[in-house]
Amino acid sequence: AQSVTQPDIHITVSEGASLELRCNYSYGATPYLFWYVQSPGQGLQLLLKYFSGDTLVQGIKGFEAEFKRSQSSFNLRKPSVHWSDAAEYFCAVGAQSGGYNKLIFGAGTRLAVHP
Amino acid sequence: EAGVTQFPSHSVIEKGQTVTLRCDPISGHDNLYWYRRVMGKEIKFLLHFVKESKQDESGMPNNRFLAERTGGTYSTLKVQPAELEDSGVYFCASSLLGNTIYFGEGSWLTVV
Repeated sequence: AQSVTQPDIHITVSEGASLELRCNYSYGATPYLFWYVQSPGQGLQLLLKYFSGDTLVQGIKGFEAEFKRSQSSFNLRKPSVHWSDAAEYFCAVGAQSGGYNKLIFGAGTRLAVHP
Repeated sequence: EAGVTQFPSHSVIEKGQTVTLRCDPISGHDNLYWYRRVMGKEIKFLLHFVKESKQDESGMPNNRFLAERTGGTYSTLKVQPAELEDSGVYFCASSLLGNTIYFGEGSWLTVV
């Protein structure tokens, strides 16, 4: 069965520090992978996505993620975190090959940023 | 271009009452989805419409939940009767087939 694991429930970093949020997936076919962010009181916003091609994908707000098939991972990174990045981050895999019709989400990682 | 819009944004109802959530997808998106996140758990898929047809409703928790999409435009999700464990945020999303799924801001439901 398809699944997504985000091992870190909470992460705290200092403003200006680098960030890496981990995501591992289990999926039999070529995955469609996504990172979404939910800021307090807000909806889900797409940060970036991987469908195919270059395994390093750039997203909004200075985020990037790297797809590593051998490790079944799609970790999210940012070189310098801003206080406004404090939010909850969700990794997701698109289920069904040849396109997808639904997303399977990880449990989320809540990011706190210290000044 | 307007995004996915949901109404109401917040709702507080008593156990046993009925609540109807509405979703307007992005114009032209045939695919419409409902997801929910209850009590800080994972965001879970509820169902998927293609136009007015239910493509996949495998995530609907029980028969207290009824989703409709009349005319293939907006959709409603009714919870009747609401239970305490239904509290959470209900997300609607839409997409073109095989493309990025865009989410609304959610309808936050509290059942007391």
